[in-house]
Amino acid sequence: NAGVMQNPRHLVRRRGQEARLRCSPMKGHSHVYWYRQLPEEGLKFMVYLQKENIIDESGMPKERFSAEFPKEGPSILRIQQVVRGDSAAYFCASSPPAGAAYEQYFGPGTRLTVT
Amino acid sequence: LAKTTQPISMDSYEGQEVNITCSHNNIATNDYITWYQQFPSQGPRFIIQGYKTKVTNEVASLFIPADRKSSTLSLPRVSLSDTAVYYCLVGVYQAGTALIFGKGTTLSVSS
Repeated sequence: NAGVMQNPRHLVRRRGQEARLRCSPMKGHSHVYWYRQLPEEGLKFMVYLQKENIIDESGMPKERFSAEFPKEGPSILRIQQVVRGDSAAYFCASSPPAGAAYEQYFGPGTRLTVT
Repeated sequence: LAKTTQPISMDSYEGQEVNITCSHNNIATNDYITWYQQFPSQGPRFIIQGYKTKVTNEVASLFIPADRKSSTLSLPRVSLSDTAVYYCLVGVYQAGTALIFGKGTTLSVSS
């Protein structure tokens, strides 16, 4: 059973370009979460999605960031017009449907470097 | 969500038992205590979760006193590969709930 997959693992973009980060959840998982980890900081929640729906985007910056989880294919985190401050590790996690106390399964992350 | 406090860093040697304590004075009745581990350049990994008393799995033990205002993650006989950041999380973590990570405890294991 493959774990959460993210690609690319490393991404370099120049200021002003677009970054697209992909996440394939574990098989059978219908919940996807994106987190960002800035250097020397803890992980911060960005957005929670289910298939074709954004459920909670309270942690997403108001501009330039968007996320989707289409009916088919991976979840995408899109950052438009990247700036140096967007350089960070972006982690995707997935979890199975409903249940009581549960765990989230994290992918290996995408390390974005903006030059 | 309950605020947690844990040491910023800890040092240990191979073969020793390591205990990391987390304080959560305002834990709510429905809250669970969950620990995650993060190795350098990897995503966090769930270690253990408990509500009260003691929970043990193949990786660690979690001790929770009766008042639940703190908890202790115990790693038996650590090895170099246990060097990681350990996060204590407290909350009602159901499907759809974002995890709230603090700065965690950086454990360094030396030979």
